[in-house]
Amino acid sequence: ETGVTQSPTHLIKTRGQQVTLRCSSQSGHNTVSWYQQALGQGPQFIFQYYREEENGRGNFPPRFSGLQFPNYSSELNVNALELDDSALYLCASRWAASGQETQYFGPGTRLLVL
Amino acid sequence: AQSVTQLDSHVSVSEGTPVLLRCNYSSSYSPSLFWYVQHPNKGLQLLLKYTSAATLVKGINGFEAEFKKSETSFHLTKPSAHMSDAAEYFCVVSDRQTGANNLFFGTGTRLTVIP
Repeated sequence: ETGVTQSPTHLIKTRGQQVTLRCSSQSGHNTVSWYQQALGQGPQFIFQYYREEENGRGNFPPRFSGLQFPNYSSELNVNALELDDSALYLCASRWAASGQETQYFGPGTRLLVL
Repeated sequence: AQSVTQLDSHVSVSEGTPVLLRCNYSSSYSPSLFWYVQHPNKGLQLLLKYTSAATLVKGINGFEAEFKKSETSFHLTKPSAHMSDAAEYFCVVSDRQTGANNLFFGTGTRLTVIP
């Protein structure tokens, strides 16, 4: 167990809708990252939040957005859902200090867009 | 830019025989490299990591990997496969250029262990 939880475990939405996925990090972890894992692929970095501000972003459009809260929880929001957004969404947390690069992953939320 | 290439999409071994999962990396900077394992319907678990210390890295469950700069490789090995090792394995490089330490994953190698 990594101490990182995600909710819900599964979700079905239709094209054009909006979705919010939630992550609870390990206590004390000030950095959270979100990844998208399409079927049969490796996870791809979406963005990272450090102390409640976005400080890194992968090749994802602005309709992917996030929030990080002081209580070590965070959200991934996706607007105007597209069929290709169907994937496993993973969050990972870590303590951003020198040498502390290990990221701890949650079990993921599987999103299906119809 | 950082990237990793996993040379085999699928590896099949018999129980009790050695495991070799191959990974080559590309990095403009001194990389941090990781191997993660993903069992069905479970989260990613860190097996081991290299962060510029000893080039031979030992991880959990008997796995180890050797960082070879001259070959830009970071292959994962285990002397004797167990049935419980069957899973998807990802070689990962950390983006240290921006300081954000974002992870770049390979496409994965599915390990099958034959009884």
